[in-house]
Amino acid sequence: EPEVTQTPSHQVTQMGQEVILRCVPISNHLYFYWYRQILGQKVEFLVSFYNNEISEKSEIFDDQFSVERPDGSNFTLKIRSTKLEDSAMYFCASTRQGVAYEQYFGPGTRLTVT
Amino acid sequence: AQSVTQLGSHVSVSEGALVLLRCNYSSSVPPYLFWYVQYPNQGLQLLLKYTTGATLVKGINGFEAEFKKSETSFHLTKPSAHMSDAAEYFCAVGNAGNMLTFGGGTRLMVKP
Repeated sequence: EPEVTQTPSHQVTQMGQEVILRCVPISNHLYFYWYRQILGQKVEFLVSFYNNEISEKSEIFDDQFSVERPDGSNFTLKIRSTKLEDSAMYFCASTRQGVAYEQYFGPGTRLTVT
Repeated sequence: AQSVTQLGSHVSVSEGALVLLRCNYSSSVPPYLFWYVQYPNQGLQLLLKYTTGATLVKGINGFEAEFKKSETSFHLTKPSAHMSDAAEYFCAVGNAGNMLTFGGGTRLMVKP
């Protein structure tokens, strides 16, 4: 069964450094998302992406964040200058067109900012 | 704005007992409702969803949920708990922008 994959599974970085989290959505999916889950808290929406542009973003997704689909398979989340409070599990998700609400999630990348 | 409230951050049941996880939502438009399960160190897996039509929806692993518009609820049930059901369960509501708004989660513990 097709699945969303994410790399790395765990990323440790120092405050102020840039990180790129990578996702490979399911191949016939057209809508892509990033969510995050700070330890012990609820899953929060960050951004949605369709047709090579951001379709919606939350207030969390400020100028420090960016997303890109550099080729036909990868979907990336970049944090330009990490802060301690960016430490969280980051989930990528994707959906097929027409069933946009049934989102398939990847296993997540745990980001630790020290 | 949409929101989801899950009553009970922790629920403990005995193996074989009924599982009931509560979810209430607020939405200004007819909602799409979802239950996801998260096993330790894994991502979110869709259990079931309600979009339109039949209000009682069946999902994987014997779970089901009923959409009750008058109560703005979408509670998750399973007649008989199994040890393998121990996990965290998230209720979510979808909005017009396709984003999901999640509840705080309920950790289900199953006692032998």
